[in-house]
Amino acid sequence: LAKTTQPISMDSYEGQEVNITCSHNNIATNDYITWYQQFPSQGPRFIIQGYKTKVTNEVASLFIPADRKSSTLSLPRVSLSDTAVYYCLVGGPAGGTSYGKLTFGQGTILTVHP
Amino acid sequence: GAVVSQHPSWVICKSGTSVKIECRSLDFQATTMFWYRQFPKQSLMLMATSNEGSKATYEQGVEKDKFLINHASLTLSTLTVTSAHPEDSSFYICSARDWRGDQPQHFGDGTRLSIL
Repeated sequence: LAKTTQPISMDSYEGQEVNITCSHNNIATNDYITWYQQFPSQGPRFIIQGYKTKVTNEVASLFIPADRKSSTLSLPRVSLSDTAVYYCLVGGPAGGTSYGKLTFGQGTILTVHP
Repeated sequence: GAVVSQHPSWVICKSGTSVKIECRSLDFQATTMFWYRQFPKQSLMLMATSNEGSKATYEQGVEKDKFLINHASLTLSTLTVTSAHPEDSSFYICSARDWRGDQPQHFGDGTRLSIL
């Protein structure tokens, strides 16, 4: 399974845009890139998933360069409630050799200040 | 959106007791579910992969006789912690993936297990 590397922590202020970059040099051809958010004592919550280029939904954008060895989660105009741990995961869909297994790294602790 | 329900959310029991945790996919069918364990201030650690209609696949170092997994239907997987001891106290989280392979995994809200 592809290993991911993220910054351990980041600080931001309300209203700012936050970009969290994840490196995954050994990503396989079939692997998707998925980001999750986790609050204390809760399960991870799906944020966004992509395979290449750019994906955008109502809460975030995901930028993936052509070589797919890294990805950047962009959170527009963060608020205090966005303080959480953010995980970048790389894994394959059904039928891929990894059968959808995901290996969690340490994640990025994002703290949003007033 | 896709919802995964986990029950119970919190359980406290005496050492030696067996505890069953349920994981249900509420609005999709899941041929594969995953069980994780998370200790305080640490990341999630995959314990096992639960496959509907077949035996679970356990990660290295996870005792299959200690953590029994049953995935009897496309919407339900159970994890039974047998003869639980204080060192088994942890936060257990399940995830499920829609049988359509390009869908992301969705996680339950976890079960806090405390063994006295």
